Amino acid sequence: NAGVTQTPKFRILKIGQSMTLQCTQDMNHNYMYWYRQDPGMGLKLIYYSVGAGITDKGEVPNGYNVSRSTTEDFPLRLELAAPSQTSVYFCASSPRGLDNSPLHFGNGTRLTVT
Amino acid sequence: ILNVEQSPQSLHVQEGDSTNFTCSFPSSNFYALHWYRWETAKSPEALFVMTLNGDEKKKGRISATLNTKEGYSYLYIKGSQPEDSATYLCAFPLSSQGGSEKLVFGKGTKLTVNP
Repeated sequence: NAGVTQTPKFRILKIGQSMTLQCTQDMNHNYMYWYRQDPGMGLKLIYYSVGAGITDKGEVPNGYNVSRSTTEDFPLRLELAAPSQTSVYFCASSPRGLDNSPLHFGNGTRLTVT
Repeated sequence: ILNVEQSPQSLHVQEGDSTNFTCSFPSSNFYALHWYRWETAKSPEALFVMTLNGDEKKKGRISATLNTKEGYSYLYIKGSQPEDSATYLCAFPLSSQGGSEKLVFGKGTKLTVNP
């Protein structure tokens, strides 16, 4: 099993450009998440999904969109990139609720918006 | 707003020292408490998911205890090694739809073990 795979690893965007961060998992996990890592602030939840066709906002959803058309894939879309979106983005998954299952993280996507 | 507090923010120890740090969380509506290890330039890796008051879990030289009544968990590292250098995160599940769908993370304790 590859686990949780994120692409690309690095990306530089100009202000106003758009892009999609890809995340796929091959563990048949129902729950998937997008987090961003901000220095001194830890991990903040952007969006999450408890199954195909279901998505919900986290703590910091503004400027992002997600979709979950399959169990495996959970892409994160940035429509109009802003410097405040410079961050490291982590996708994660879990087989079921987090009251007894840990998160499995991808290796991250480092995004710079200039 | 749910707060998960970790202390200290950072810690420097010598190789061979034993160390511990704290995670504080709301004691009401407890589901579980997660611990993760996060090495620089890597992704967080799960250490423990703790669910029962008085629970103690162990993985090699790392162990954790849980007190749900008073809302804290301790992470212990016995005989620290340089490879233990990492940020240790705790996280608390939040429920809005009848299950524990999402985690709120503390800011972490950054451990540096000097050889």
